Amino acid sequence: QSVLTQPPSVSGAPGQRVTISCTGSSPNIGAGYDVHWYQQLPGTAPKLLIYGNNNRPSGVPDRFSGSKSGTSASLAITGLQAEDEADYYCQSYDSSLSGSVFGGGTKLTVL
Amino acid sequence: QLQLQESGPGLVKPSETLSLTCTVSGGSISSSTYYWAWIRQPPGKGLEWIGSMFYGGSTYYNPSLKGRVTISVDTSKNHFSLRLSSVTAADTAMYYCARHPSPPSSGWSYFDYWGQGTLVTVSS
Repeated sequence: QSVLTQPPSVSGAPGQRVTISCTGSSPNIGAGYDVHWYQQLPGTAPKLLIYGNNNRPSGVPDRFSGSKSGTSASLAITGLQAEDEADYYCQSYDSSLSGSVFGGGTKLTVL
Repeated sequence: QLQLQESGPGLVKPSETLSLTCTVSGGSISSSTYYWAWIRQPPGKGLEWIGSMFYGGSTYYNPSLKGRVTISVDTSKNHFSLRLSSVTAADTAMYYCARHPSPPSSGWSYFDYWGQGTLVTVSS
């Protein structure tokens, strides 16, 4: 059972917009701690996609965006492409655990 | 370009100690800016932070693993290591090393560089 809750799967057709939610609680997202997102393509290591709630590292397309409100955060992907098919994980800090926590991951399927 | 590479045995017997090393290239592990971490992922499951360290000696461990985990650094070899004792089948996972660009306890820390991972299976 992950500290941060994500939907197990989402799907969308090419060109569409999808969102992935990440729900936390008062010791983590609700306490104001930043949320970060990772993309894990099949058989590869996770890659930082969004940091500090809504910042993209160099090289990440602006089709990817993040937001945070209250005890939840969201990752939005616009103009969906086949290459976006991957697992996506959110991550934050949890003060009760004094460490990083991850969501359980969401598998994105491009139809 | 910073690169991290995990190495170590791919098979460990139950009750024994898992030992892995992460070699950092393209940058110094002794940087005053960065922290270094271990993260694992059981087959078909999600990510779990194991612990982090600073080259100066500070360590931070996941409470669920505390008591079994030790993370240490060898600055002369530009690498850091993970030891996980008394392993069981539940410790079977892909183990990744990664870099934090800020203290793990800062509340805004994330993992910006990752190794490719090494699969460790616990089995007799």
